[in-house]
Amino acid sequence: NAGVTQTPKFQVLKTGQSMTLQCAQDMNHEYMSWYRQDPGMGLRLIHYSVGAGITDQGEVPNGYNVSRSTTEDFPLRLLSAAPSQTSVYFCASSIAGGTYEQYFGPGTRLTVT
Amino acid sequence: SQELEQSPQSLIVQEGKNLTINCTSSKTLYGLYWYKQKYGEGLIFLMMLQKGGEEKSHEKITAKLDEKKQQSSLHITASQPSHAGIYLCGADREYGGSQGNLIFGKGTKLSVKP
Repeated sequence: NAGVTQTPKFQVLKTGQSMTLQCAQDMNHEYMSWYRQDPGMGLRLIHYSVGAGITDQGEVPNGYNVSRSTTEDFPLRLLSAAPSQTSVYFCASSIAGGTYEQYFGPGTRLTVT
Repeated sequence: SQELEQSPQSLIVQEGKNLTINCTSSKTLYGLYWYKQKYGEGLIFLMMLQKGGEEKSHEKITAKLDEKKQQSSLHITASQPSHAGIYLCGADREYGGSQGNLIFGKGTKLSVKP
């Protein structure tokens, strides 16, 4: 198993540009999540999904869109990038139905200038 | 809303010394997770605790969840340079699991001097 994969690893955007961060998992996990990590702030939840076709907002959803058309993929879209979205983004997945470990991807480091 | 507070924020220890990191919740903890993050990399799962009084160990790392289920501690015995990194505690937001929706503390940065 490749586990949770994220692409790209690094990205630089200009203010106002749009882009999609890709996340895929091959463990057949129902739950998938997107977090951002900023210095001194820990990990904050952006959006999460409990299954294909179902998504919900986390703590910091503004400026981001998600969709979940398949169990495997959970892309995160930045519609109009802002410097405040400079961060490291992590995707995670887990089994449904109880308290289980979340598996994290390696992260995408995004800089918005 | 629930908050997780980690202490200390950072820690520098001499190799071979023991250390403890704490994670305190503003509400009852239903599931508590410890992760380690090496600088610039993803999160590595260490341990998960659910029951009050539960204690788990892996190699030289021991984690406990107190009886009242509002605090967890992570103890490292005889620290090594390989233990250096950022330790994060995470928690389920509700009983029965969070549906992939965890809350995290801000992390404790550990440095180990050889």
